[in-house]
Amino acid sequence: SQTIHQWPATLVQPVGSPLSLECTVEGTSNPNLYWYRQAAGRGLQLLFYSVGIGQISSEVPQNLSASRPQDRQFILSSKKLLLSDSGFYLCAWSVKTSYNSPLHFGNGTRLTVT
Amino acid sequence: ELKVEQNPLFLSMQEGKNYTIYCNYSTTSDRLYWYRQDPGKSLESLFVLLSNGAVKQEGRLMASLDTKARLSTLHITAAVHDLSATYFCAVVGDGGSQGNLIFGKGTKLSVKP
Repeated sequence: SQTIHQWPATLVQPVGSPLSLECTVEGTSNPNLYWYRQAAGRGLQLLFYSVGIGQISSEVPQNLSASRPQDRQFILSSKKLLLSDSGFYLCAWSVKTSYNSPLHFGNGTRLTVT
Repeated sequence: ELKVEQNPLFLSMQEGKNYTIYCNYSTTSDRLYWYRQDPGKSLESLFVLLSNGAVKQEGRLMASLDTKARLSTLHITAAVHDLSATYFCAVVGDGGSQGNLIFGKGTKLSVKP
């Protein structure tokens, strides 16, 4: 069966510090991968999605970036965090070849920028 | 631009009662998803609705889709406390790519004894 791992679970970082969140998927190959952010009391905002190694689409301008160095690895980064980057970050994957595949989410990382 | 609106955003109901959550979307879409999120947790896929008139049921939850009205409903039958969670609907946006899944703001359901 497929599993998605996301770490760390919680993170407290000062403003201006760098960020690296990692997500890996097991049990499937060539998935679509996604990073979402959920701010407190708000819905989910798509940040990045990837259909393959090195292929990243960005949905909103921000000081975050994403990379996909391996087929099942997706990394979210920032060089300098802002207060507004606080939130709940969720990685997700879906089956590329299935038209109706739902997104399968990881357990999330709760980031607090102080 | 595709917009997805859920109502109500907050719902407090007693155990044993029935209620419906509504999800309206603004432009044509051929896929609609329902997710559940427990407090502090990730999202769990509940239903995938693919065609007009589609109805899916799991336990006390039943979801339906009317693509002509651009409306999906999530009906709760005889609510129990375990159903307390936030429920999101999501619609595939422009281009039909799963990468453009637009979520509603969620309906926070609280079921009280």
